[in-house]
Parts: sequence; structure tokens; C-alpha cells
Amino acid sequence: QVQLQESGPGLVKPSETLSLTCTVSGDSVSSYYWSWIRQPPGKGLEWIGYIYNSGFTKYNPSLKSRVTISGDTSKNQFSLKVSSVTAADTAVYYCARDLISGGLDVWGQGTTVTVSS
Amino acid sequence: SYVLTQPPSVSVAPGKTARITCGGNNIGSKGVHWYQQKPGQAPLLVMYYDSDRPSGIPERFSGSKSGNTATLSISWVEAGDEAEYYCQVFDDSSDLPDFGGGTKLTVL
Repeated sequence: QVQLQESGPGLVKPSETLSLTCTVSGDSVSSYYWSWIRQPPGKGLEWIGYIYNSGFTKYNPSLKSRVTISGDTSKNQFSLKVSSVTAADTAVYYCARDLISGGLDVWGQGTTVTVSS
Repeated sequence: SYVLTQPPSVSVAPGKTARITCGGNNIGSKGVHWYQQKPGQAPLLVMYYDSDRPSGIPERFSGSKSGNTATLSISWVEAGDEAEYYCQVFDDSSDLPDFGGGTKLTVL
């Protein structure tokens, strides 16, 4: 059974960098695509980016200049960094396995990140 | 990015069939996935590649596509189906996934 778990600070100050990690169990981050998605309070889902083949990445153009996704095969994790955060980055952040033609079939429970001083 | 249009809300009486639409240009050439999200929970994949149901999803859930519109149908609607539903495609031209804005399903 594949499981994903997000971890990281729940509070980040404006202008600083948001950092989250997704730990994968039951599968390898070397396989498939692994995505980050976020959901601002009361709003819809926004795809942030994905990593595949342990190092290739693709980002949402609206966030591309501030986002970095990386993978650590030794720990079976992948991570998200969003720089220069503002209140607009306040959201629930999800990691998920992306089968592309099979959809996002496994999701983490999500972690709430609040940007505030 | 690729634009997917969903109605903000759909209401249906228990036992009836709910139909949630997702419109997009040339959506017929793309695989459409559907997610159910209940308050405080992560989204759950309920349909992939237009009309395939993941293991554990009831047969009451079905998917279809016609023209520029994909549809998620839920027959014999129950109170437990009340949730937000999102469609999603993977845009091959940009290698980017896109989500629809979501549809709130209310069971009357």
C-alpha cells in the first residue's frame, strides 16, 4: 500500500522560503511522477509542479520563478521549496503520486502552511 | 495553460442521478480524471482516463465524454456523495496538469 506523508513548518514569515518534504512508503520515488498541489483556504486545487526520474522537473508557469522540487532516492522523499512567500502562498499543501494517464492516484493527507509575521 | 470549466454547483435529490460537467477545448483528445474532496480531506481519485474507476469506487460513479465536454455521473446519489468534485487533464502540449475550478455537489 502506497502512502505519502507531508512534513514541514506550519508557519512561515513573509519573504522567507517555505520548505516541505513528502516521504513515500510502498513505492519508489524513482518511478512515476510525483507532484505537489496546493489549495488556498476556500479555493480550488492548484498544481505546483512535479518531479520524475528522480531529477527531471516541471513547474506551473505562474510559480516557476519561486519553486524548486527535488528528490532524495536514499530517503525515498521529494521536497518543495517556495521562495519569497507572501500571504497568497497560505494554503494546504499536498503531495501526490501522478500516473499521468491514471491520474493522481495517491495523495498525502495535506499540511497547512500559513504565511504570517 | 489549458482551461477547464466546471459549474460552481450542482444539486440533486437522494436516489437521483447527478451529472457534473467539465468543458475544455479539444478535451476529446485528452484523458480526463475526476476527484472527490470532502471537507477537511485530501482529494480522492474517483475516475481516471475518462471512464475507468479505481479499485474501491462504487459502480454508481461513471464517466463519459462528448464533444468538448466530459461528464462525471453519479447514480443513486447518497448523502455521503456530497462533496466538491474536480476534473483534471494532463495537457500533452505543455506537459502540465490542469484542474477545473471544482463543482460543489449538494444532496437535497
